[in-house]
Amino acid sequence: GENVEQHPSTLSVQEGDSAVIKCTYSDSASNYFPWYKQELGKRPQLIIDIRSNVGEKKDQRIAVTLNKTAKHFSLHITETQPEDSAVYFCAALRDTGTASKLTFGTGTRLQVTL
Amino acid sequence: DTEVTQTPKHLVMGMTNKKSLKCEQHMGHRAMYWYKQKAKKPPELMFVYSYEKLSINESVPSRFSPECPNSSLLNLHLHALQPEDSALYLCASSRPKPGQVVSGANVLTFGAGSRLTVL
Repeated sequence: GENVEQHPSTLSVQEGDSAVIKCTYSDSASNYFPWYKQELGKRPQLIIDIRSNVGEKKDQRIAVTLNKTAKHFSLHITETQPEDSAVYFCAALRDTGTASKLTFGTGTRLQVTL
Repeated sequence: DTEVTQTPKHLVMGMTNKKSLKCEQHMGHRAMYWYKQKAKKPPELMFVYSYEKLSINESVPSRFSPECPNSSLLNLHLHALQPEDSALYLCASSRPKPGQVVSGANVLTFGAGSRLTVL
């Protein structure tokens, strides 16, 4: 089955700095890579995603890059703010034809300090 | 309606109790999922129902019994649970009806979760 590795497990940055979280996946059949932000006690919230036929996608301060050959994808957050503090999960999705199997990375706890 | 609704939000039960978690969506999604999330860990897939039939069972113990009465509802029946089963249980849905546009928001939509404590 799919295995998604995520690094780092914790990341502390100063407000205004950039944060980068990296993931690798193992199943070449995975074709969709969402990133979720999860605040304490709440559900995972989709913040950005990328499909396997796209190399880069940007949405305001958040960007995601995908290297399909190397099976790497990364989340970039620029001009970080305290409200960006949360746990971030990358994920890889494989469509089985009747349902979508989503495998999560181990998570990165991002702390943005003033 | 673009939400997945889970009830109850919190549940405390003893190891001999029988209880159920409920999930409902009215987005026309035809696949529904149960995930289990322990503290500081990622969500782990438990079950997938597709078109009201069990599609994936990730080797979940039989003390967890899923049920999909119709395309909008998903239940998780709990019996003889252990304290280590205490976790946040997340329901999700995906896949629009044929002809609907697939976008990021349609791929997997999570409910707010049911936080289960087993004493």
